[in-house]
Amino acid sequence: DVKVTQSSRYLVKRTGEKVFLECVQDMDHENMFWYRQDPGLGLRLIYFSYDVKMKEKGDIPEGYSVSREKKERFSLILESASTNQTSMYLCASSLAGAYGYTFGSGTRLTVV
Amino acid sequence: AQSVSQHNHHVILSEAASLELGCNYSYGGTVNLFWYVQYPGQHLQLLLKYFSGDPLVKGIKGFEAEFIKSKFSFNLRKPSVQWSDTAEYFCAVNANQAGTALIFGKGTTLSVSS
Repeated sequence: DVKVTQSSRYLVKRTGEKVFLECVQDMDHENMFWYRQDPGLGLRLIYFSYDVKMKEKGDIPEGYSVSREKKERFSLILESASTNQTSMYLCASSLAGAYGYTFGSGTRLTVV
Repeated sequence: AQSVSQHNHHVILSEAASLELGCNYSYGGTVNLFWYVQYPGQHLQLLLKYFSGDPLVKGIKGFEAEFIKSKFSFNLRKPSVQWSDTAEYFCAVNANQAGTALIFGKGTTLSVSS
């Protein structure tokens, strides 16, 4: 089975801090994705990448950036954390669109 | 741009009742369609998917979904729910082309009482 591993399950950060969320997948998938999940809003796409060093903005990229230097690793960066970025962050990977995604367990980020 | 609409925010059923969760999408081209489930405290899991062929798709745990192209719908069904089906259900769609990402609906919370 594909494994998508997110480095932290829970994080607490202060407003203004630079925050790195790491995601690693072990099945050589081309595509990787970052979503945030909020109650009543479902999953909203932040950024995705379909190849190393490639990135595409999703629906809510403001305040975030990403890095994909190696195929297996996709990092989400909060340049200056704000309280409205308190959320559950989900990473996913896929081989191709028709195969569906495999999700990590999520990182619950609290910004205080 | 694609969008996904799930009609029910919260559904409450008794065990053995039948379930149907509505999902409509907006996109003019060929799509791939998915239903994911998230059990309390767990990560998202794929229930079933449709990308071509028979529009009636069977998934895990007795779930099925029917793709009706003319209605842009992909409703999830289960003839008899169990208490263990209590979870949040997400419908998702992506365009059948490279370089696109899954767009999710806002989710439906299903509560099943025993």
